[in-house]
Amino acid sequence: DQQVKQNSPSLSVQEGRISILNCDYTNSMFDYFLWYKKYPAEGPTFLISISSIKDKNEDGRFTVFLNKSAKHLSLHIVPSQPGDSAVYFCAASVNQAGTALIFGKGTTLSVSS
Amino acid sequence: EPEVTQTPSHQVTQMGQEVILRCVPISNHLYFYWYRQILGQKVEFLVSFYNNEISEKSEIFDDQFSVERPDGSNFTLKIRSTKLEDSAMYFCASSERTGRYEQYFGPGTRLTVT
Repeated sequence: DQQVKQNSPSLSVQEGRISILNCDYTNSMFDYFLWYKKYPAEGPTFLISISSIKDKNEDGRFTVFLNKSAKHLSLHIVPSQPGDSAVYFCAASVNQAGTALIFGKGTTLSVSS
Repeated sequence: EPEVTQTPSHQVTQMGQEVILRCVPISNHLYFYWYRQILGQKVEFLVSFYNNEISEKSEIFDDQFSVERPDGSNFTLKIRSTKLEDSAMYFCASSERTGRYEQYFGPGTRLTVT
């Protein structure tokens, strides 16, 4: 039962270009969405989040877009840098403290110089 | 910048033994969590903890698991009788009580059960 799906296991992008990572969810109760970045042998690092009352949230090079009707969100990284190469996880939860984050399987982003 | 810390970084144990994984959450955070990631799989929620009580747990978190906040800084996960399938990375996380619900993760403990 995959409530959060990241259908692309990997993505390769050239330095300076845009990286677009996609995520779909099935549970209508989810109203808070997050992106995490993970390097090997490290814990997930929080990148950016969005509440279901918004359709866009921007933080520097990172922008998250939410399409509630399609149950779809995406993370845009512009411009992509080699240091962005990592596994990116989409996660979803109910918008309150103490609730579980449900993670997707992750997308491995490789940015080449 | 405050961060979640975890010890040990790697724990090797024999099947049937008890293990305790330790975490120090970010100091002003009030919610604490454990997650695990089996090699090649996704990160899975185990349990959340607030005000000295479990607030939510997954079906993975059975009677073999327990959590405790033994003092004002540590948060522990105990596995009473480890099984081979408990081999995984275990991540501790913490979050603020209100306003911002993002969870901040520690570097993880790699548990290997032989």
